[in-house]
Amino acid sequence: DIQMTQSPSSLSASVGDRVTITCRASQSISSYLNWYQQKPGKAPKLLIYAASSLQSGVPSRFSGSKSGTDFTLTISSLQPEDFATYYCQQSYNTPYTFGQGTKLEIK
Amino acid sequence: QLVESGGGVVKPGGSLRLSCAASGFTFSKAWMSWVRQAPGKGLEWVARIKSKGDGGKTDYAAPVKGRFTISRDDSTNTVYLQMNSLKSEDTAMYYCTTFTIFGVSDWFDPWGQGTLVTVSS
Repeated sequence: DIQMTQSPSSLSASVGDRVTITCRASQSISSYLNWYQQKPGKAPKLLIYAASSLQSGVPSRFSGSKSGTDFTLTISSLQPEDFATYYCQQSYNTPYTFGQGTKLEIK
Repeated sequence: QLVESGGGVVKPGGSLRLSCAASGFTFSKAWMSWVRQAPGKGLEWVARIKSKGDGGKTDYAAPVKGRFTISRDDSTNTVYLQMNSLKSEDTAMYYCTTFTIFGVSDWFDPWGQGTLVTVSS
């Protein structure tokens, strides 16, 4: 199985900050990496697919990038509605696996 | 849109069948999955079923293989998850989601609101 190691597990930041969340795959997954946002009591929401493509309707302050087996989600300027938990997920093969999540909290 | 139902409280060793009613897209061509989330924990993929046109193959996560069965009824746009021999560690919110494929990319979207399964004596 492909392991997805996400860091940090939690992060405190302020409105307007630039934040970066990293996900490392245990083997090459090409660009089969997606990012989701989940708010308490809600289903996950797709933000980024194929490592760097922005899902329709998602604000442009969200971006994704890839370097080898390392993937990064960047929020350029945090907004109050961005405080949530973020997950990476590989869709290279089954079993599809998620990172353990990054909880983004208000400082 | 995806709407799950069928969750509830069940004793260890018991069975439950979850349903997910789909609308707003061509269900018969969609690959469907179930993803679960234990209380306070992260997301875990459970099962996937391909469209009949793509062979209808099913795949399962190791913890549920042999106990859970995913199936689909294209005439009613519904996907099911039959869960047998339930264990306490199966307690989770179960989400139905579409495994969307576009070119060489694929992802889970949309998602249902989830249905809660509690396995407890």
